[in-house]
Amino acid sequence: DARVTQTPRHKVTEMGQEVTMRCQPILGHNTVFWYRQTMMQGLELLAYFRNRAPLDDSGMPKDRFSAEMPDATLATLKIQPSEPRDSAVYFCASGLPEAYEQYFGPGTRLTVT
Amino acid sequence: SQQGEEDPQALSIQEGENATMNCSYKTSINNLQWYRQNSGRGLVHLILIRSNEREKHSGRLRVTLDTSKKSSSLLITASRAADTASYFCATDAWGAQKLVFGQGTRLTINP
Repeated sequence: DARVTQTPRHKVTEMGQEVTMRCQPILGHNTVFWYRQTMMQGLELLAYFRNRAPLDDSGMPKDRFSAEMPDATLATLKIQPSEPRDSAVYFCASGLPEAYEQYFGPGTRLTVT
Repeated sequence: SQQGEEDPQALSIQEGENATMNCSYKTSINNLQWYRQNSGRGLVHLILIRSNEREKHSGRLRVTLDTSKKSSSLLITASRAADTASYFCATDAWGAQKLVFGQGTRLTINP
């Protein structure tokens, strides 16, 4: 069945390193979301795209985070340089604008030491 | 910042009992959605209720919405061990799919 896939599922890296997370949305979904989940802050929307164009990235720290959609089947979230406070689970979700509900991937658990 | 506040933060009941979770929010909304998250997994959409609806059912789920009180409740009837999960409400203020999630209710169903 159709699912959102994310890679890698787990990433451990040292402070200062670049981290790239990838997401493949459900085929045909033209809206893609990036969320971050931590115990303290809960689930926060970082950015979202429609038809590959960024609609809102106000939740994303601009100095170190960047999000792109090189094509309709791939979304990327990059952190450079990474910091320990970036440790979290990062979720990608996709959907269709007329349907409202979002379909989440399994997440990437990032640990920055 | 979180739009929604969920109550209770944790709930533990016996299998077969009903579970009720509440969500309050601050601003007007286009729709409100409930999601479930099993430990270590992504969120799964359960049900959506629009601002002009008061009640909605889906299987063992019943959602109510009171826009005058800015609150919603999720009722799970005849709970099962497999319902053990965290449940989140999410509000969409403009129908633009920009969801703001609550902190969630952690539900444990004891066999």
